[in-house]
Amino acid sequence: DVVMTQSPLSLPVTLGQPASISCRSSQSLVYSDGNTYLNWFQQRPGQSPRRLIYKVSNRDSGVPDRFSGSGSGTDFTLKISRVEAEDVGVYYCMQDTHWPPTFGGGTRVEIK
Amino acid sequence: EVQLVESGGGLVKPGGSLRLSCAASGFTFSNAWMSWVRQAPGKGLEWVGRIKSKTDGGTADYAAPVKGRFTISRDDSKNTLYLQMNSLKSEDTAVYYCTRDLDGGPTRWGQGTLVTVSS
Repeated sequence: DVVMTQSPLSLPVTLGQPASISCRSSQSLVYSDGNTYLNWFQQRPGQSPRRLIYKVSNRDSGVPDRFSGSGSGTDFTLKISRVEAEDVGVYYCMQDTHWPPTFGGGTRVEIK
Repeated sequence: EVQLVESGGGLVKPGGSLRLSCAASGFTFSNAWMSWVRQAPGKGLEWVGRIKSKTDGGTADYAAPVKGRFTISRDDSKNTLYLQMNSLKSEDTAVYYCTRDLDGGPTRWGQGTLVTVSS
C-alpha cells in the first residue's frame, strides 16, 4: 500500500497567520490518465470529514479561497493563507491513484 | 443538496454480524461510485471499500483487513448503499462513514454510524 506521511503532527498557529501542511507519498501519485489523485480533508471537532481539495489543487465547492493545494509526484502541500478560528481541526491528505486508497495520519491545527 | 444518512450501527459481540445502510439523496445515486470509510475512536481515517456504478460494472473492492468478511452492495431503486459486516472483530470498532466519490476521492460524507464490537 502507498504510505502517506504528513508533517507536522501538530501545528499551533496564530489567528490571521499562514499555515502549511506537508504530505509525502511512498510512490508517485501520477495516474496513467495523467491526473494526480491527491485530496485534502478537514475534520472539525465532532464533525465528519469534509473535502477541501481534489486532484492536488482544485478547491471543492464552498471551500474558502484561503485554502490552496500544490505539489506533484510524491510531495504535496496544503496552505491556509490566514488561519481563522473555524479552521481548527485535523487535516488529512489522501491518495486515490493506487488501490487501496490511503490516508495520511493527520495534522492537528490549533490556535496558539 | 447532497445528503447521506447512515444507520444500523450498534453493539455487537465478536464473531457477530451487522448490516449498515446509507440513504442517499440530492444526486443521481445510480451513477455514483460510493465508498465506506471508517474511523476508530480517536484515530485516523481508513478506507473500507468502494462500489462502482452499475454502468461502470457495479463491482466492489475492499481493503485487506475486511476482505472476505465485509460486502458492499447497492439498491439503486432505493438510493441506498449497504455494508454487510460478518465475523466482526474488536478492531472493527469504529465510526463508519458512507461517502460519494467524485473526481478521485470522497466528495461528500455522511454523519457516520458507530459500530462497537465487544463482549
